[in-house]
This record gives sequence, structure tokens and C-alpha cells, in this order.
Amino acid sequence: SQQGEEDPQALSIQEGENATMNCSYKTSINNLQWYRQNSGRGLVHLILIRSNEREKHSGRLRVTLDTSKKSSSLLITASRAADTASYFCATVYSSGAGSYQLTFGKGTKLSVIP
Amino acid sequence: DSGVTQTPKHLITATGQRVTLRCSPRSGDLSVYWYQQSLDQGLQFLIQYYNGEERAKGNILERFSAQQFPDLHSELNLSSLELGDSALYFCASSTGTGRFTDTQYFGPGTRLTVL
Repeated sequence: SQQGEEDPQALSIQEGENATMNCSYKTSINNLQWYRQNSGRGLVHLILIRSNEREKHSGRLRVTLDTSKKSSSLLITASRAADTASYFCATVYSSGAGSYQLTFGKGTKLSVIP
Repeated sequence: DSGVTQTPKHLITATGQRVTLRCSPRSGDLSVYWYQQSLDQGLQFLIQYYNGEERAKGNILERFSAQQFPDLHSELNLSSLELGDSALYFCASSTGTGRFTDTQYFGPGTRLTVL
């Protein structure tokens, strides 16, 4: 399956610390995206990194992509209690004939303790 | 608020029944996506429509169908419901043609409970 796998499944840190989440996937991708989901709510798109990019920043977020290792990491710096949420990586790949598929991992549950 | 609306918010029904979930995309967005989130399956992409036409198909069961209307709102029809169909169903929209390269904006979801 193309499904990305996040690691760790759960992460608990103190406010102000950095949080790092990892995502591994199985085959070639078009792009990789990270999403945040607050409990029971809709997903919020955080960042998209294309297969030819290695690193991308957005505010306190830093995403890296290593296509040779088929892995990505999401770093949240100077975490805040409001960052408490589940974080998902999603991989986009070509399924042939101009079609694309998007698959999500199981997610990392981040708890930031004030 | 993402600008994507979904109705109803909650739906409780019995096995074997049929339900329709509705989604209104953000103003100007031509692509609509449907996702299912359940405890055992996680988040799964079901289907995508772009400007009224089916664009991509994911893990959508044959008992499920969707369509996008000329006003761009979309409906997801679930029939012959089973207990395992209980899940959160999300709709998302985006501006582009939907090669999953543009930002998707998610609605608040419809929680379906099948008893």
C-alpha cells in the first residue's frame, strides 16, 4: 500500500520545546502533504512539499523530504499548547493514465503541556 | 472556518438504510473531495469531482456514490449501510484541477452512526 506511516504514534512535550514527527512511505510520490486535525474537527492543510524539493518552511513549521529514504519529517519549533492536535502526512502519487491518488498515514497525536 | 459547509452534522440511522451527505465547496472552488475517517481504517480518500466530472477514485465502495451538481455542490450517497460504515465523512474543496497539488480546505464533517 502507498500509505504513509507516521512515527511516533503519540508525542508529549512541554510548551516551548520542539516537536518532530516522521513519515515514511513506500513508492515514488508526486508530493507529500502535512495536515493537522484538532479532535473530531476537519483537517487543516499545513504544508505541501514536492518530490523535487528537499526542505520547506512555513512559520514555525519545517518540513524535509528525503526521496531516497522515502521519508519526510515535520518539525514544529517553540511549540504552544494550541499545537495540540493530530498530525497526518499524506502522499500523492500517480495511479496511471493521468490520475492521482492521495493516501493518509495513521497520524501522530501531539500533546503540548503548558 | 474553511468556507466549506457540510450537512447534516450528525446522522444516526439503521443498517440497510440509505443516506445522503451534502457538501458546499468554498466559493470559486471547482474541485470537491470526499474522505472517510474511521477508527480502524483511518483517513481514506473516497472520490474527487472537478467541475461536475469524476476526477479520481480512491477506496470508495460500490454501495457508495457521489455526484457534483452544476452549482458545484456535491452529494455522497451511502446505501445498504453496515455497522462498519459508521465514521466521520469529510468533504474538501480546492481551486485547481485536482491533481492534489493545491491546498484542500476541509469542511467540519458529518458524523454517521449506523445502529
